[in-house]
Amino acid sequence: NAGVTQTPKFQVLKTGQSMTLQCAQDMNHEYMSWYRQDPGMGLRLIHYSVGAGITDQGEVPNGYNVSRSTTEDFPLRLLSAAPSQTSVYFCASSYNQGAPNTEAFFGQGTRLTVV
Amino acid sequence: QQQVKQSPQSLIVQKGGIPIINCAYENTAFDYFPWYQQFPGKGPALLIAIRPDVSEKKEGRFTISFNKSAKQFSLHIMDSQPGDSATYFCAARGGATNKLIFGTGTLLAVQP
Repeated sequence: NAGVTQTPKFQVLKTGQSMTLQCAQDMNHEYMSWYRQDPGMGLRLIHYSVGAGITDQGEVPNGYNVSRSTTEDFPLRLLSAAPSQTSVYFCASSYNQGAPNTEAFFGQGTRLTVV
Repeated sequence: QQQVKQSPQSLIVQKGGIPIINCAYENTAFDYFPWYQQFPGKGPALLIAIRPDVSEKKEGRFTISFNKSAKQFSLHIMDSQPGDSATYFCAARGGATNKLIFGTGTLLAVQP
């Protein structure tokens, strides 16, 4: 049971390049989300999904796209990377977002640097 | 806007001390308040959580105190150990979208 798997672990991009951060979970969780972690800012929600085919914006969605074609996968796309997107990105999943006391499981993170 | 405010930003205690981390929220629709622990290079992991119908919850050396009227909750770590050194995040969830919103984090260092 791998839990939540993120790839790659590290990435360096040039300004203007695009890339996709991968996230996969094997717990059959309905709810998945992406956060970015920056010093002094905590974890800020980028996008989230309550099930396959359904996505919505979080607190800081600009510059990022997501899709959810399967229950297992929730990739995050950077369309044109900017230095302001240098951060650590975390993917999380939970079984049933509508129920209380539902634990969110996090991946190990992707450290992205945009130069 | 910061829906969950956390303090202090960093905290240093001696082994055996009782660090206290405080959080405040604004949205009265929040109905689930977890604390997450994060070690360097790792993703956050659930430590303990509380619902607003109780005022206190204990799990081992970790205690959440909850004050619904003040819209505040706090984490207490009893008999703190160097292994507790980590970043701690409070969070809240509820309302129409049920999004999990995090505080800004507290970096705790427990000195031997």
